[in-house]
Amino acid sequence: DAKTTQPTSMDCAEGRAANLPCNHSTISGNEYVYWYRQIHSQGPQYIIHGLKNNETNEMASLIITEDRKSSTLILPHATLRDTAVYYCIVRVKTSYDKVIFGPGTSLSVIP
Amino acid sequence: GAVVSQHPSWVICKSGTSVKIECRSLDFQATTMFWYRQFPKQSLMLMATSNEGSKATYEQGVEKDKFLINHASLTLSTLTVTSAHPEDSSFYICSASRPGQSNQPQHFGDGTRLSIL
Repeated sequence: DAKTTQPTSMDCAEGRAANLPCNHSTISGNEYVYWYRQIHSQGPQYIIHGLKNNETNEMASLIITEDRKSSTLILPHATLRDTAVYYCIVRVKTSYDKVIFGPGTSLSVIP
Repeated sequence: GAVVSQHPSWVICKSGTSVKIECRSLDFQATTMFWYRQFPKQSLMLMATSNEGSKATYEQGVEKDKFLINHASLTLSTLTVTSAHPEDSSFYICSASRPGQSNQPQHFGDGTRLSIL
């Protein structure tokens, strides 16, 4: 299973873009990169996922490098409500489709 | 809106009692659901995979007789913490994904906070 590496914590000023990096150098060709976040005392929330092309939705953008060994989640205009732990996950390709969480990045959006 | 619902959201009970937590998929049928446990300031730890109509698959180190999982219908999985003790106090979270393509994301419930006195 491909593993991911994320910074433990990051700060971002309110209104600025938050760029959260993730390394997944052992990702295999058919594995997707998923991002979830967990706001304190809530269940994780799905944000976005991608295979090799950059993706954008109403919440965020996902930039995946051409070699797919790393990716960046971009929150274009961070708000205080974006303060959360962000998890970058490479999908385990088993018949059970398990999601294995690493420690994630604790993002603090500062007023 | 929410697509996976958990109940209860919070429970406090005495040591030695059993506690049942429900996980429902609201607008889709889920043949597979997952149960996680999360201790304070830690990440989610996968406990088991709940399979509709068959036995659950437990992760290494998780006691199957302690954490009973039943997936009796395509929209409901239950986790029963038997003879709960204070060390079982934790945040329990379930998830499920819509059937279809294998790259569907997991949707998570809002979690159940269990406190054993």
